[in-house]
Amino acid sequence: ETGVTQSPTHLIKTRGQQVTLRCSSQSGHNTVSWYQQALGQGPQFIFQYYREEENGRGNFPPRFSGLQFPNYSSELNVNALELDDSALYLCASSPRMSGANVLTFGAGSRLTVL
Amino acid sequence: AQKITQTQPGMFVQEKEAVTLDCTYDTSDPSYGLFWYKQPSSGEMIFLIYQGSYDQQNATEGRYSLNFQKARKSANLVISASQLGDSAMYFCAMSQGAGRRALTFGSGTRLQVQP
Repeated sequence: ETGVTQSPTHLIKTRGQQVTLRCSSQSGHNTVSWYQQALGQGPQFIFQYYREEENGRGNFPPRFSGLQFPNYSSELNVNALELDDSALYLCASSPRMSGANVLTFGAGSRLTVL
Repeated sequence: AQKITQTQPGMFVQEKEAVTLDCTYDTSDPSYGLFWYKQPSSGEMIFLIYQGSYDQQNATEGRYSLNFQKARKSANLVISASQLGDSAMYFCAMSQGAGRRALTFGSGTRLQVQP
């Protein structure tokens, strides 16, 4: 079975621009979560999607938004980029919404904001 | 609010020896789960082991075991017979509450295995 794939792997944007990151979940997984990992820190939860709806959100402003599609793939959109948005963005999928909820992560998209 | 603390920024271990990575947590919810993930330089987070708060026995997965001490709120990872490929960042994480939607991660421990 294929794992979680993310694109692009690296990208550079300037402050004020918008970015879209993409994620294909692992086969059989219907829940997708996004995490932001700043350099030298642990990942921080952005939000989770289940059945194409946002189902939990961390402490991130509304300019961070997402989508989940019928095939369970997902997008993370960030508007009005700030320098502090520079980070590794990790997508993770899981087979169910609750319980042990073991997440399978992708390799991430590294965003640099200049 | 939930919190995960990893007090060891870096650890060294000789190949074939065992190593313990520390993790303490703070939560008021009686139902929670504890996870350990490994992150090599490639960036991908790799699931290692899971312990539920109501599990009576410590979790084990191959060379990984979780030393769960509920009263002390600690969930230390023990890696036996370290290998060079174990060199990576290790993160302790917790999920809690109904649905357990989000993981809260610690700041991580960088493990270096020396030949």
